[in-house]
Amino acid sequence: GDSVTQMEGPVTLSEEACLTINCTYTATGYPSLFWYVQYPGEGLQLLLKATKADDKGSNKGFEATYRKETTSFHLEKGSVQVSDSAVYFCAVGGNTPLVFGKGTRLSVIA
Amino acid sequence: DTGVSQDPRHKITKRGQNVTFRCDPISEHNRLYWYRQTLGQGPEFLTYFQNEAQLEKSRLLSDRFSAERPKGSFSTLEIQRTEQGDSAMYLCASSSGQGARQETQYFGPGTRLLVL
Repeated sequence: GDSVTQMEGPVTLSEEACLTINCTYTATGYPSLFWYVQYPGEGLQLLLKATKADDKGSNKGFEATYRKETTSFHLEKGSVQVSDSAVYFCAVGGNTPLVFGKGTRLSVIA
Repeated sequence: DTGVSQDPRHKITKRGQNVTFRCDPISEHNRLYWYRQTLGQGPEFLTYFQNEAQLEKSRLLSDRFSAERPKGSFSTLEIQRTEQGDSAMYLCASSSGQGARQETQYFGPGTRLLVL
């Protein structure tokens, strides 16, 4: 079945630092790829998505590009803020049940 | 559009008791999913519905678990004879269910269950 491997945290960065969270996947067919974010005590919020190879998803300064050749969907942000502190999940799926990575906890300190 | 809602948000119960959770999807969404998330892990799929039909159940869904979506709108997830290992966050998500590959699932706030 499908699977997702993402960089394990925790990741601690200073405000305005660059962020990269690695995510690789295995899947059959042509899945969509997602990044979700979870703040303490809350459910998951969609951060961005990409539905086909070479698509770039972006939102709130975060970006990720669907790389079919390397089966990757790395999350990047050029300048993180304290408010970005959360757990980030990479997922593969679409019109099927999603398969998630284990999550990466990000802490941004002022 | 008020998003996906779940009730209750928190539930504490004693081992052996039955519990029931409710999920109200986004209006007009045909697909509804249940996931379970344990501490420090990503969500794991339990089951999903297309309208009122239950299309798939994960092997994680033991026979103590049952889910329904009787009128194709809200759904309930019941756990009978709860065990301490059932302690987790139970997440509900919905999507339009039009069958498009690029469908997005929208999640509710979750129900956190603690079994003592």
